[in-house]
Amino acid sequence: DIQMTQSPSSLSASVGDRVTITCRASQGISNYLAWYQQKPGKVPKLLIYAASTLQSGVPSRFSGSGSGTDFTLTISSLQPEDVATYYCQKYNTAPGTFGQGTKVEIK
Amino acid sequence: EVQLLESGGGLVQPGGSLRLSCAASGFTFSNCAMAWVRQAPGKGLEWVSTISSDGGGTFYADSVKGRFTVSRDNSKNTLYLQMNSLRAEDTASYHCAKDSTGSFLFDNWGQGTLVTVSS
Repeated sequence: DIQMTQSPSSLSASVGDRVTITCRASQGISNYLAWYQQKPGKVPKLLIYAASTLQSGVPSRFSGSGSGTDFTLTISSLQPEDVATYYCQKYNTAPGTFGQGTKVEIK
Repeated sequence: EVQLLESGGGLVQPGGSLRLSCAASGFTFSNCAMAWVRQAPGKGLEWVSTISSDGGGTFYADSVKGRFTVSRDNSKNTLYLQMNSLRAEDTASYHCAKDSTGSFLFDNWGQGTLVTVSS
């Protein structure tokens, strides 16, 4: 099975900072990569799919890029409401493996 | 508005069984694949199982294969997860999720139901 590895596992940044999270697949997955946001005490929310397509209603400060094995999620200007754990996930074929998560906090 | 409401969780002894339900509304249930995703306390997300829109295709994580069975009743807009031979490591919040494209991509999630496996 394909493994998904995120880095870092956690980060602390200031409001307005540019934040980047990376996700690496153990084998190529084309662009079948999604990002989810899970705020504290809430259920996960789909942010991005097809590596770079924003789900409806997601703020434009979020962006995704990558293809094959290496992917990034970028928050262009971190806001207090972005405090959450972010998960990448490979999809299209089973198993729908998630990365281990990246916890984003405000400094 | 899409609503997914899980039920059936609780405390069960190791080796026991439990059946979870997920009542869906706000979308055409019979057109969508559905999935179960679990999250152990303080841990990350783990895909558990997916069922196709007509129930003809089922998929399982290796960790639950042979022990869990996913099913659905499209006449009742309800998804099920039968869990047998439960282990301590199955302790988690179990979320049902809507998979509109049938590609293991989850665009709506329920609040979850907690399953605790302990003696």
